[in-house]
Amino acid sequence: SAVISQKPSRDICQRGTSLTIQCQVDSQVTMMFWYRQQPGQSLTLIATANQGSEATYESGFVIDKFPISRPNLTFSTLTVSNMSPEDSSIYLCSVAMIEGETQYFGPGTRLLVL
Amino acid sequence: AQTVTQSQPEMSVQEAETVTLSCTYDTSESDYYLFWYKQPPSRQMILVIRQEAYKQQNATENRFSVNFQKAAKSFSLKISDSQLGDAAMYFCAYRSAGGSQGNLIFGKGTKLSVKP
Repeated sequence: SAVISQKPSRDICQRGTSLTIQCQVDSQVTMMFWYRQQPGQSLTLIATANQGSEATYESGFVIDKFPISRPNLTFSTLTVSNMSPEDSSIYLCSVAMIEGETQYFGPGTRLLVL
Repeated sequence: AQTVTQSQPEMSVQEAETVTLSCTYDTSESDYYLFWYKQPPSRQMILVIRQEAYKQQNATENRFSVNFQKAAKSFSLKISDSQLGDAAMYFCAYRSAGGSQGNLIFGKGTKLSVKP
């Protein structure tokens, strides 16, 4: 499995601001994903980060709110834009070495919006 | 749409004993994967075990094993010789073998406590 790091590990932000979360993998991976875990809840897929093209968003998530970049096979960013307290969650990056294979998760970014 | 149900919000086990966590799922697909992930207080999601639906043999990983009943759409996790480090949230997850490769569908989780 790959070693996945996320920055920042946690942050406290004011409403109306934006935060960019970075996901770095120590080896090239085919698939990268972003999930959200709201307090006390399970994980929900936000989008699949596609290298060199627009991310593929799941129902209920839009690019204007959660812009995603993936410039290469080891790095991706998720921005949470115009934040509100409802965006307070843990955001997790996950990767799969090969399409269709097991996903491995990063340590997560804990976000609190005041 | 596929759904995953974990009917036990919390479970408790004595150290060194065995505990079984339940998971059922609903799907019309014949080919898929099932997973158990562990999330300790540190929040790092860790893969515990994986099962391919086409395999009849139940997956095992050291003290962790599953009871996969495809017809009943049941996928329980058995933890043997429980250790204090096993205390965590356990999530059951489903993924289609085709179509959108990324979409892991998670259950709501079971919080496991281990008593010394």
